[in-house]
Amino acid sequence: AQSVTQPDIHITVSEGASLELRCNYSYGATPYLFWYVQSPGQGLQLLLKYFSGDTLVQGIKGFEAEFKRSQSSFNLRKPSVHWSDAAEYFCAVGRYNQGGKLIFGQGTELSVKP
Amino acid sequence: DARVTQTPRHKVTEMGQEVTMRCQPILGHNTVFWYRQTMMQGLELLAYFRNRAPLDDSGMPKDRFSAEMPDATLATLKIQPSEPRDSAVYFCASGLAEETQYFGPGTRLLVL
Repeated sequence: AQSVTQPDIHITVSEGASLELRCNYSYGATPYLFWYVQSPGQGLQLLLKYFSGDTLVQGIKGFEAEFKRSQSSFNLRKPSVHWSDAAEYFCAVGRYNQGGKLIFGQGTELSVKP
Repeated sequence: DARVTQTPRHKVTEMGQEVTMRCQPILGHNTVFWYRQTMMQGLELLAYFRNRAPLDDSGMPKDRFSAEMPDATLATLKIQPSEPRDSAVYFCASGLAEETQYFGPGTRLLVL
C-alpha cells in the first residue's frame, strides 16, 4: 500500500540551530513530492516541491529538501531556524497517472526555543 | 496574488442540521480537492474533481456527504444531516492536474 511516514511527531530546536525533518514514502513508481507548512489556524502553504531533475530542491523561507530514491526519502532541512518557523510540516507524495491525488504524512510539529 | 477562498471560515451547528461549505478555486485551475483534517486522522482526501467532473469520492461517507461543482468557479461540500463526529477543518485545494495543490484557509466546523 502507498504510504508516507513522518517519524517525528514533535521536534523542538533552539533558534539558530539547524533542522532536519524526515519523510519516507512507500510507492510503486516514481513519485513527485512536496513539503507544506501549516501555521495555527491557517491553511497549508507550499514550501517546496520535487518533480524531476536536480534532487536537491530549494524552497521558500530558506528551506531545502533532498530526494533520495535509494532511501525513499525526502527530508526537509534548514541551516538556521527562526522563531517564526514554529508550525506543523507535512510531507506529501503523488504518483503520475493518479489524477493528482496526494498522500500526506501525519505531520511534524516544530517548536522553536528562544 | 491568486488564492483559493473558502466560506464560511467558521461554522457552529447542531446535530442533524445541513451544512454547506463553499470553495472558489484559483481561476484557471482544473482540479479541485476536498480534504478533512482532524487530530486523530490527520489530512484525509474526501473527493476531487477534474474539469468539474468527480474523479474520486471514495474518501467521503456517501450517506451524508455530497460534493459538487456547479460551475468552474464554485465547489461545494454538503453534509446532511451533520453529526458531532463531522467536527473538523475542511480544506479545499485547487491545481492543474498532477501539479502543485494550493490550499484555501479552511472551514472550521463544530457540530454540537
